[in-house]
Amino acid sequence: AQSVAQPEDQVNVAEGNPLTVKCTYSVSGNPYLFWYVQYPNRGLQFLLKYITGDNLVKGSYGFEAEFNKSQTSFHLKKPSALVSDSALYFCAGDKLVFGAGTILRVKS
Amino acid sequence: DTGVSQNPRHKITKRGQNVTFRCDPISEHNRLYWYRQTLGQGPEFLTYFQNEAQLEKSRLLSDRFSAERPKGSFSTLEIQRTEQGDSAMYLCASTNAGVSGANVLTFGAGSRLTVL
Repeated sequence: AQSVAQPEDQVNVAEGNPLTVKCTYSVSGNPYLFWYVQYPNRGLQFLLKYITGDNLVKGSYGFEAEFNKSQTSFHLKKPSALVSDSALYFCAGDKLVFGAGTILRVKS
Repeated sequence: DTGVSQNPRHKITKRGQNVTFRCDPISEHNRLYWYRQTLGQGPEFLTYFQNEAQLEKSRLLSDRFSAERPKGSFSTLEIQRTEQGDSAMYLCASTNAGVSGANVLTFGAGSRLTVL
């Protein structure tokens, strides 16, 4: 069975600064890992996924994530945050077990 | 096809009443999932269907919960004798089955249940 953890309830970042939303996983074998974003009153939207191959995965809206097997992490990153990136972010694993979510607040 | 549709968006009911939610997935998707989400938590898996077959049910899905997908298209989630603890957002998602665990889900906006 796989589990994922998001250690931060909330991340605050200034607009234009780089952002990181953390995710760690626990799984036997090769993991499948996903990031989803949830805006208020809207369904979760897929951002990116890691199955195999390059450790750096690029996704929607300029987001990327780095798979790190030694640290069992799959952190979401963006070089320059926008106010419109403010939302709730979920890391998910195999069979779509979701983390508890991290609120991202980007301030202008 | 405009995505995954869920109805009703909001339902307020009294404890002990039955409620039913409907999900219309993306038409070409053969797999349909139900999740429950409470405030401050990520979505919790309830059950999923491959076409009309219900392939997996979570232990979270008590006997009061039942889900169907009779023709492999839309699905319903019924909660009987609702309890206050059932208050949550119920999410539906769909995808095409492929490599296990690698499918991207398309979510509906959810159906919010409030049990008084």
